[in-house]
Amino acid sequence: EAQVTQNPRYLITVTGKKLTVTCSQNMNHEYMSWYRQDPGLGLRQIYYSMNVEVTDKGDVPEGYKVSRKEKRNFPLILESPSPNQTSLYFCASSLSPGNTEAFFGQGTRLTVV
Amino acid sequence: AQSVTQLGSHVSVSEGALVLLRCNYSSSVPPYLFWYVQYPNQGLQLLLKYTTGATLVKGINGFEAEFKKSETSFHLTKPSAHMSDAAEYFCAVTLYSSASKIIFGSGTRLSIRP
Repeated sequence: EAQVTQNPRYLITVTGKKLTVTCSQNMNHEYMSWYRQDPGLGLRQIYYSMNVEVTDKGDVPEGYKVSRKEKRNFPLILESPSPNQTSLYFCASSLSPGNTEAFFGQGTRLTVV
Repeated sequence: AQSVTQLGSHVSVSEGALVLLRCNYSSSVPPYLFWYVQYPNQGLQLLLKYTTGATLVKGINGFEAEFKKSETSFHLTKPSAHMSDAAEYFCAVTLYSSASKIIFGSGTRLSIRP
């Protein structure tokens, strides 16, 4: 089954404690991206990757890091989380970023206290 | 810069009534257009998309949308609402020329009254 898998689904952490949210896709997609969803703001892109070892900033990259060492994995790293990073996070993948369907993970609800 | 505007953060209709969710975009070149649906506690899934060709696009679950270039709109409709249609709906665009990301609207929550 084609899918994007994120872990964990729910996470509560404290300010400053480094965390990683994993994302893996089994569709051999080249394009992957991370979004955060906040009420009234829709989805905003954090980072994206066009292929292995190729990543770039989206609209709201501050406070986040990513890496793309393998095609299937695209982890999101928060080196020093702050309360304003409390949000719902989605990973997505697609064949290309343009006219093809994006497949989304189930989401990770992060709370930073 | 491209942007997407969804009119109405919350729309409520009766079961069996017409569903109309509005989406307007601003772009200097024709975009690719998408509607995604998000059910509670789930990720987004594609409802339908317009890339080229016929401007009336049919999607899953009886939804359809019409690309109107002159109005820069891509409104989503369904003739008869069902309780299972209750969800949040996102309009999104990308550009032919530099499609490095999808731009999402702020979303419209659809409620269905019995």
